[in-house]
Amino acid sequence: GENVEQHPSTLSVQEGDSAVIKCTYSDSASNYFPWYKQELGKRPQLIIDIRSNVGEKKDQRIAVTLNKTAKHFSLHITETQPEDSAVYFCTKAAGNKLTFGGGTRVLVKP
Amino acid sequence: DTEVTQTPKHLVMGMTNKKSLKCEQHMGHRAMYWYKQKAKKPPELMFVYSYEKLSINESVPSRFSPECPNSSLLNLHLHALQPEDSALYLCASSQVTTAEDYGYTFGSGTRLTVV
Repeated sequence: GENVEQHPSTLSVQEGDSAVIKCTYSDSASNYFPWYKQELGKRPQLIIDIRSNVGEKKDQRIAVTLNKTAKHFSLHITETQPEDSAVYFCTKAAGNKLTFGGGTRVLVKP
Repeated sequence: DTEVTQTPKHLVMGMTNKKSLKCEQHMGHRAMYWYKQKAKKPPELMFVYSYEKLSINESVPSRFSPECPNSSLLNLHLHALQPEDSALYLCASSQVTTAEDYGYTFGSGTRLTVV
């Protein structure tokens, strides 16, 4: 019940195209869903988050959607740029515990 | 100061050595965490400290010993490690004692190699 399933594991897109990453979970305790971006050799960095009382949130080229009934949430990156290349992790928080999805390696080809 | 600082950045140790990883933050966060990240894998939670007390131990072997001497510092003492313990060790902190409000701030990690 604690796992987060994340798909796809790798995603290659042409610069300017959109990228979509999807995650599902099974427990009912989580109400906060942050997304982290980790560039090679660097720390995970929070890029956007969404809470269970909100269905969608947008920050410039990044948007997240949450369907709490269906227990899935997604990250959308529009107009991708080479600097978007990284590993993206969906996560869910319940209490002090942050559980990570398996990660999606995104490669934006110029 | 909005950072979590980890030292050292790299560490190579033998299986009989004793070493410590250090983590420091001055954001007033009262929850601090240790994560282990193997190559091409997500971070895995090891320990959680809330108000300087250990609140979660994810069944981590006793060769890893955490310590939280005050609200700004978190240590991870290492002894008799195995080569499979080689990984990136990430420290994180959160603004309140639950990560549900603001998520975590991660340090840059210590890349540990056990030989």
